Amino acid sequence: KAGVTQTPRYLIKTRGQQVTLSCSPISGHRSVSWYQQTPGQGLQFLFEYFSETQRNKGNFPGRFSGRQFSNSRSEMNVSTLELGDSALYLCASHPRGESTGELFFGEGSRLTVL
Amino acid sequence: EDKVVQSPLSLVVHEGDTVTLNCSYEVTNFRSLLWYKQEKKAPTFLFMLTSSGIEKKSGRLSSILDKKELFSILNITATQTGDSAVYLCAVPYSSASKIIFGSGTRLSIRP
Repeated sequence: KAGVTQTPRYLIKTRGQQVTLSCSPISGHRSVSWYQQTPGQGLQFLFEYFSETQRNKGNFPGRFSGRQFSNSRSEMNVSTLELGDSALYLCASHPRGESTGELFFGEGSRLTVL
Repeated sequence: EDKVVQSPLSLVVHEGDTVTLNCSYEVTNFRSLLWYKQEKKAPTFLFMLTSSGIEKKSGRLSSILDKKELFSILNITATQTGDSAVYLCAVPYSSASKIIFGSGTRLSIRP
C-alpha cells in the first residue's frame, strides 16, 4: 500500500512569490491535514480537509489556503511568500473524518524562501 | 490556551541506557494522547493513549498516561543507536481533527 506522497520535496522561492504544494493520501483515506514544521515553532496545524470540505483551520494568515479534490488529493497554496514561511510542510492522511489516533505523514515539502 | 509541553528538549545517553521522556498537557475536551517518532522527515506513530494507568508496550518502548495529573511518559529501555530521533507528543484539541504537538525531545544515542 503506497504511503502519503508529497510533491515537490524541495523548492526554493523568493519573497513575494507564491507556491503550491501537493499531497496524495493513502488510497481510501478521505481526510488530509497539513502541518508546518519550523525549528522555532515545531509542528503547527494548518488545516484539515474531508470530502473536499475544509473542516478546521489553524491560526495562520489568509495567505495560506488549501483545497481537496474528489479523489482526496489535496493542495495547499501560500501566496506572497515571506522569509518566515521557510519550513517543512507535512501532509497527513487518516482513514476517517475523526482523527483521534494515528496520522500517516508524508515525507514533506521543504520550502526555502530567499 | 491549549498546550503540550515536553521535557527534556534534548537528551544524550549511551547505548544500553534507559530513558524517560515527559509530556504534560492542558487541553480542553481531552480525548487521547499520541506519541510519534521523527527520524528525518515523516513522523511515525508509536502509541495512542486514552485511559489512565494502562501501559502501552511495543518492544523496548512503553508509555503510560495519567489523566489526573495531565501527563504522559515514554520509556525506552536498552537504547540502541536506531532510537536516535525526535520524539513528539501530541493531543487532539478543540475537535478531534486538530492536533497540537509538543516541541519534541531530541534523543541522541551514543555507541
